[in-house]
This record gives sequence, structure tokens and C-alpha cells, in this order.
Amino acid sequence: DVKVTQSSRYLVKRTGEKVFLECVQDMDHENMFWYRQDPGLGLRLIYFSYDVKMKEKGDIPEGYSVSREKKERFSLILESASTNQTSMYLCASSFLAGGRETQYFGPGTRLLVL
Amino acid sequence: DQQVKQNSPSLSVQEGRISILNCDYTNSMFDYFLWYKKYPAEGPTFLISISSIKDKNEDGRFTVFLNKSAKHLSLHIVPSQPGDSAVYFCAASASTGTASKLTFGTGTRLQVTL
Repeated sequence: DVKVTQSSRYLVKRTGEKVFLECVQDMDHENMFWYRQDPGLGLRLIYFSYDVKMKEKGDIPEGYSVSREKKERFSLILESASTNQTSMYLCASSFLAGGRETQYFGPGTRLLVL
Repeated sequence: DQQVKQNSPSLSVQEGRISILNCDYTNSMFDYFLWYKKYPAEGPTFLISISSIKDKNEDGRFTVFLNKSAKHLSLHIVPSQPGDSAVYFCAASASTGTASKLTFGTGTRLQVTL
């Protein structure tokens, strides 16, 4: 079974803090993704990576950065957390297969920024 | 611009009856479609997919239908069970050389009643 784990299930942070969300997958997947899920908006792609040290912006990258130093690990960084970044954050991974891969998701991190 | 739309935010169906969840898309480059199921406080779980070269794919109680001319797909669940109560997301991707970005709909909450 594919396993995608996220470092925290729940986080509470203060405005202006730097926040790190960690994601690890154990299936040697090339691709990794970060989404946020908000009511009425579905899942929106923040950043993704198709190889170590490679990253591409998704649909809503503003206020976020990412790091992928190892194939199995993809980190999402909120440089200076703001209240509008309160959300459910979901990490996913997939094989590189030219448009036919399936993304597998972690359990999510619910972040509250006060 | 919402490229994948799920116009019904919620649906209630009696146990044993058919559940039909609908999804429309606008981007004609999309050629692979997926349905995910999400329980509260968990990550989305892959349910079923369909390539644009097919118009139907079946897996047990779940069948996805694709109407390319109408840019419409639907998920049928027969018979519906209480454990099917969850939020269902439709997603679409276009073939690329690198990671396939999924574009998600806003979700439909299915409630299966006894």
C-alpha cells in the first residue's frame, strides 16, 4: 500500500510565525504535491515537484515556498503565517507516467493561524 | 475560472438506491478523469478513473461515465451504502511530459440515509 504521511494532524500558530509542514512518502514516487482544501473551493494546488530539487508553482503559490532535498520528502513552508492561511493542507504523491498517474494523499494537516 | 465544476454541493440518497454524482469540465485538453472520496479529517482516497478513450469504467458498485461531447462525467454508486457518506471530488488532468496536475471540483457531499 502507498503510504503518505504528514508530520502533524493539527497545528496552531501565531501570525508572522514561520511554519514548516512535512510530507513523506514511502513508494519512491517521483511526483509530490501540496494542496489546500477550503470549504466551497475544493482542493487547490499550491506547489508540486517532479524530481529532487525541482519545483513548480501551482495555482495559489503566493505566501508559500517548498523544499525537496530528498525524493521521499516534500516540505511546505509558510514564511510568515497569516490568518488567511488557516486551512487543511494535503500532501500527495504519484508516479511519473505521462498523464495517467493517480495521486495518493496523506491524512492532511489542519492549520489554524491566530 | 473553475475548469472543473460540481454544481451540486450536496446529495441525499436512501440506502440501497442509486447515487449519481455529476461533474462538468470546460478544458478540452483534459483527457484523464478521477473520482476521490473524502471522509472528514482524512485525506482524499482514490476511487475510480477513466481515460478519454473510454466512455465507461466500472469497479464493483462504482461506475464512471464520460460524455466527451458534453464535457460531462458522472459517478454512479449502486447500491448506495451508509459507509458511502462522504465528500466526493471530481478531478481532471491533461497529458504532459512531467507531473500531471490535477484540477479538482469543489466537491459533492453525499449522505446515504437508512
